[in-house]
Amino acid sequence: AQSVTQPDIHITVSEGASLELRCNYSYGATPYLFWYVQSPGQGLQLLLKYFSGDTLVQGIKGFEAEFKRSQSSFNLRKPSVHWSDAAEYFCAVGAHGFNKFYFGSGTKLNVKP
Amino acid sequence: GAVVSQHPSRVICKSGTSVKIECRSLDFQATTMFWYRQFPKKSLMLMATSNEGSKATYEQGVEKDKFLINHASLTLSTLTVTSAHPEDSSFYICSATGLGAGTEAFFGQGTRLTVV
Repeated sequence: AQSVTQPDIHITVSEGASLELRCNYSYGATPYLFWYVQSPGQGLQLLLKYFSGDTLVQGIKGFEAEFKRSQSSFNLRKPSVHWSDAAEYFCAVGAHGFNKFYFGSGTKLNVKP
Repeated sequence: GAVVSQHPSRVICKSGTSVKIECRSLDFQATTMFWYRQFPKKSLMLMATSNEGSKATYEQGVEKDKFLINHASLTLSTLTVTSAHPEDSSFYICSATGLGAGTEAFFGQGTRLTVV
């Protein structure tokens, strides 16, 4: 069965510190992987996506993620967090043709000044 | 990127009434639209998938008679919550993909529904 696990519900980091948000997936076929960010009361904005090729993908706002097939992981990273990064982050796996998206439960990021 | 507009952003309705939420693709042809429901402090739950001109495909456990989905054109899908009850209060989000959207789905801003 398809599933996405984000083991960290809340994470707090200091501004300027590095960040890694974990994501593990279970999917029966080649996964298309995504990270989205949601600000309070807002919709979702795509940060980055992985379909194939280079396993390290760069996204917007200085984020990157690395696909590790052997670990079924797609962790999101940022070398230096800004206060404006405080939001909720969702990892998702999609089927080819995008007829389905499966989301993780989300990780809420707090940034300390 | 492509733009999906969802309206209204917030709505309050009385128990027993129906409320319609619109999802529009502004600059591409949305051949497929998805409707999600987000519970407080929970992830997004896919409710249904609709293809333009076809009946929506509902996920298991979603009442199709309660959550009516219409996707009559390539730019508009609607979700109607019929005979709303307080437990239907939630954040509803649509997303769309199709011609001109590239290789991703784009999300609307979401609708906060409160049933009183």
